[in-house]
Amino acid sequence: GAGVSQSPRYKVAKRGQDVALRCDPISGHVSLFWYQQALGQGPEFLTYFQNEAQLDKSGLPSDRFFAERPEGSVSTLKIQRTQQEDSAVYLCASSLGIARDNYEQYFGPGTRLTVT
Amino acid sequence: KQEVTQIPAALSVPEGENLVLNCSFTDSAIYNLQWFRQDPGKGLTSLLLIQSSQREQTSGRLNASLDKSSGRSTLYIAASQPGDSATYLCAVKDRGSTLGRLYFGRGTQLTVWP
Repeated sequence: GAGVSQSPRYKVAKRGQDVALRCDPISGHVSLFWYQQALGQGPEFLTYFQNEAQLDKSGLPSDRFFAERPEGSVSTLKIQRTQQEDSAVYLCASSLGIARDNYEQYFGPGTRLTVT
Repeated sequence: KQEVTQIPAALSVPEGENLVLNCSFTDSAIYNLQWFRQDPGKGLTSLLLIQSSQREQTSGRLNASLDKSSGRSTLYIAASQPGDSATYLCAVKDRGSTLGRLYFGRGTQLTVWP
């Protein structure tokens, strides 16, 4: 079946612009995660949703970052007033069960954000 | 906080060699450890997942071992091929994080030349 999809795949924003990144998880997956991957680094956790509830947002780097998943399926990561340090690949992952269970996370292709 | 380290950072080998990639983690209280492959411009593809109660997992030419007590895992790639060229990432899901976040290493960038 279809995997995790993300859009856009590439986004160039001028410093100060707002951006919205979309994630379509695998149908029926309860858990959804956002990660940020800077160049040459491993992915770093941003936030976690269980259905529509955002249960962990401790990884969001500042209050300019906001994520939502209003109907428990599609999620949007919004970054306000983008800064150059926000340039990274943003990865979305979904998982069938709740997070503490031993289900695999399936990753999307990512959105590469470049802030100029 | 869990820290994950991968050695070496980069590896370049001729086709046909057997390879070992290393991963270490600081907190042995984990649920599982996962090895991923990442191709340039692409997302992560899961290769192997080892539960904390397991010692190893195998898939084709790949074999991953886990020594939880010492905080180490190795990924063994047999008879390497140019198509294996990619970045390999190790990630742990630790028991301190009940909400399932993964902690990643920086990866090993592998190049296999013909």
